[in-house]
Formats: sequence, C-alpha cells, structure tokens
Amino acid sequence: DTGVSQDPRHKITKRGQNVTFRCDPISEHNRLYWYRQTLGQGPEFLTYFQNEAQLEKSRLLSDRFSAERPKGSFSTLEIQRTEQGDSAMYLCASSLNPSGAIYEQYFGPGTRLTVT
Amino acid sequence: GDSVTQMEGPVTLSEEAFLTINCTYTATGYPSLFWYVQYPGEGLQLLLKATKADDKGSNKGFEATYRKETTSFHLEKGSVQVSDSAVYFCALSTGGSYIPTFGRGTSLIVHP
Repeated sequence: DTGVSQDPRHKITKRGQNVTFRCDPISEHNRLYWYRQTLGQGPEFLTYFQNEAQLEKSRLLSDRFSAERPKGSFSTLEIQRTEQGDSAMYLCASSLNPSGAIYEQYFGPGTRLTVT
Repeated sequence: GDSVTQMEGPVTLSEEAFLTINCTYTATGYPSLFWYVQYPGEGLQLLLKATKADDKGSNKGFEATYRKETTSFHLEKGSVQVSDSAVYFCALSTGGSYIPTFGRGTSLIVHP
C-alpha cells in the first residue's frame, strides 16, 4: 500500500491554458474523490466516482472542470481555459465503501496550481 | 445546507499544555462527525470520528465527544507535544455518499 499519489505536485500555468492532474488511489479502493482547497479554507468537494461511474458532478465549479476515471483505477481532473481564481490546491482522496457504510477517506498530498 | 464552524487560529501553546479546539455544526440530517489533521507538506489524515450522539472518538491522545444537544464536537488533548503542530479540520457527513463538509481548519502551533 503506497497511499494515494498525485501528479504533478506543483503546476504553474498561464491564464487560458488547459491543465490536467492525475490521481492514483490506493489499489483496492473503489471510491475516488476530488476536492479543491484554497488558502485558509477547508477542502471543498468537487466530484466523486464509484469505480468508473461518476456519481456526483453537480458541484464541479464550472463547465470548465471535468473529471474522468476510465477504468475505475486512476482519475484525471482537467481545467480548461484556466483563470487566476482557479489557483488552489487540488486534493484527491480514495476509500473502500461497501454499500451503506461510512469509511475513512485517504488523502493524497495534493497538486498546487498557480495560474499567472 | 450543512456547515461546520471552527474556532479561528492559530492556537499557540507550550508543550504539555491542555488543548481544546471548538467545533460546532449545522446539519439537515443525522451526521457523522470527524476530525482530520494535516501536517506540514502532507495530505489530510483522519484523526478520529463519531457516528452517533454521545459517542467519543479517540486516537493518539486526542478525543472528541459527539454532543447532539449542543451540536458540537470539540477536540481535546490533555498534554500536547511539538509534533502535534498541524492544521486540524472538523468535518461532518450525512447520507450514504460520504461527502464530508469541512470547517476552515484551525492551525495549532506547539512550542517547546
């Protein structure tokens, strides 16, 4: 068990560019979550997957944000046409969730995005 | 909607002092309650949890009791160490999707 990994750890991009972040969850975990964290705030939920199905995406911040988990393993979060307000830490978490249970989420170290 | 309010930081203590970080919540359903800790440069880790009223969660000397009557889940530790310096997040979750709502976090700084 190597934990949740995220790549890259830091990304600097110019306004208007597209960026993509990757998350590799703990291998047997079926749920994967994406959050955004801005300075001085707690994590803000964006979306989550159970296996390859995206079960909640209404809280993605705008239609510029999209996420995929094509084979139920790693996931990508893409931000198109980045804006300075997108600068934040993007966190990924995974969990093993049998139906009806509440289980611990394991967080990755995050990807820090800076939009200039 | 659901919300979590934590005391503002930073909280600065000397080693071996008693710690309390206040957390109150508002929830539409019957929530489960959590404390997460984030050490410098690391991801969030679950510290403790409680899933029903009067439950006490505990871990690493920290504890918190689910108080439904006061809608609170205050974090306490009897004797803090320098290694406890971190940001602590209170969170709640309702429903089966387990999507937590986090507070803003409270920074704890412990001096030798």
